[in-house]
Amino acid sequence: RKEVEQDPGPFNVPEGATVAFNCTYSNSASQSFFWYRQDCRKEPKLLMSVYSSGNEDGRFTAQLNRASQYISLLIRDSKLSDSATYLCVVNMNYGGSQGNLIFGKGTKLSVKP
Amino acid sequence: EPEVTQTPSHQVTQMGQEVILRCVPISNHLYFYWYRQILGQKVEFLVSFYNNEISEKSEIFDDQFSVERPDGSNFTLKIRSTKLEDSAMYFCASGSEGDSEAFFGQGTRLTVV
Repeated sequence: RKEVEQDPGPFNVPEGATVAFNCTYSNSASQSFFWYRQDCRKEPKLLMSVYSSGNEDGRFTAQLNRASQYISLLIRDSKLSDSATYLCVVNMNYGGSQGNLIFGKGTKLSVKP
Repeated sequence: EPEVTQTPSHQVTQMGQEVILRCVPISNHLYFYWYRQILGQKVEFLVSFYNNEISEKSEIFDDQFSVERPDGSNFTLKIRSTKLEDSAMYFCASGSEGDSEAFFGQGTRLTVV
């Protein structure tokens, strides 16, 4: 049973393109949602948190649909530097602790000139 | 900018040997985590640590693994008798009270031969 599922890609897009990633999670008790970015052989870095109301940070827009247990990330006007693996992450937030982060396997994006 | 630091960056060890991976979390953080990522696989939660004790652990974190906060700054992961399948990138992470974001260190690449 896959807890967080993502299309592995790769997504190969030209500079300036708009690209969308999707993610589904299996546990309806999940409390917090994130997109992380991971460059090759590097650590995951938080890109943005995801809220039910949707949120935007510059060229990046994230959406959460709790009813469908679905998370999305939209990247507009993609840059060469956006090339990375994008990780969908959920957090169970058990009790007073932050719980553990459950990662998807990631979607690889390659932006070409 | 404060960061999580890990040492060593790469460790090679013989099967059956004990290894200790070291981490210095961000100084005012209270939650500490270890994750691992086998090459080509997803990031997997191992253990979370809060208030000087383990708050949660995964099925991966069996009796061969232990964590310790020996002083006010270090957070260590010990693998008692390494197996070939322990070869992976091990990431330490830390977080502050009331904030579900985890900040990751650059990782220690463990190679068991």
